[in-house]
Amino acid sequence: GESVGLHLPTLSVQEGDNSIINCAYSNSASDYFIWYKQESGKGPQFIIDIRSNMDKRQGQRVTVLLNKTVKHLSLQIAATQPGDSAVYFCAEKGGSYIPTFGRGTSLIVHP
Amino acid sequence: GAVVSQHPSRVICKSGTSVKIECRSLDFQATTMFWYRQFPKQSLMLMATSNEGSKATYEQGVEKDKFLINHASLTLSTLTVTSAHPEDSSFYICSARGPGINTGELFFGEGSRLTVL
Repeated sequence: GESVGLHLPTLSVQEGDNSIINCAYSNSASDYFIWYKQESGKGPQFIIDIRSNMDKRQGQRVTVLLNKTVKHLSLQIAATQPGDSAVYFCAEKGGSYIPTFGRGTSLIVHP
Repeated sequence: GAVVSQHPSRVICKSGTSVKIECRSLDFQATTMFWYRQFPKQSLMLMATSNEGSKATYEQGVEKDKFLINHASLTLSTLTVTSAHPEDSSFYICSARGPGINTGELFFGEGSRLTVL
């Protein structure tokens, strides 16, 4: 069936570095993508979203890139801080308004 | 932004008992809420969609008689784990979307960790 997956289960970076978290999706009908951040023991928190008619969207310290040709999504975090340590999930939505979550990447930021 | 509250945040119960988890939208009305289950180091798995005033829609493989969902008002959905067993121990998370809010964004509760002894 359709699935959303992540390339890297764990990403370790030094404080101040830029982080890139990748996500591959397989549902070509998906037209909306979301990145969530989940801190330990908490629910997911919306970070940024992007629609399929865009290939880049920027927020505060975060940028999401969408490559529909290869069905790839990435989240870039600039000047990563210890508070960014969390699990990051990408989610995609197609015809249904219910997002499907990917596997998740654990980001570890070393001071 | 919209706030979704879950209660209790942690619950420990004996095997065979039932546990109720509440999910409330605090500052908006949620016609639809979603219940997820998350095992350690795994992703969120959708269990069911809770619709105000109607029966919940369960995902394949989720026992509706085991996980009772009630969405009696526009601000409250409850998940009852009946006759809980140790394998039901998990992190249960609800989310909500409602009228007037960007349908692209779901707001999540803080989660409820269930431990069945």
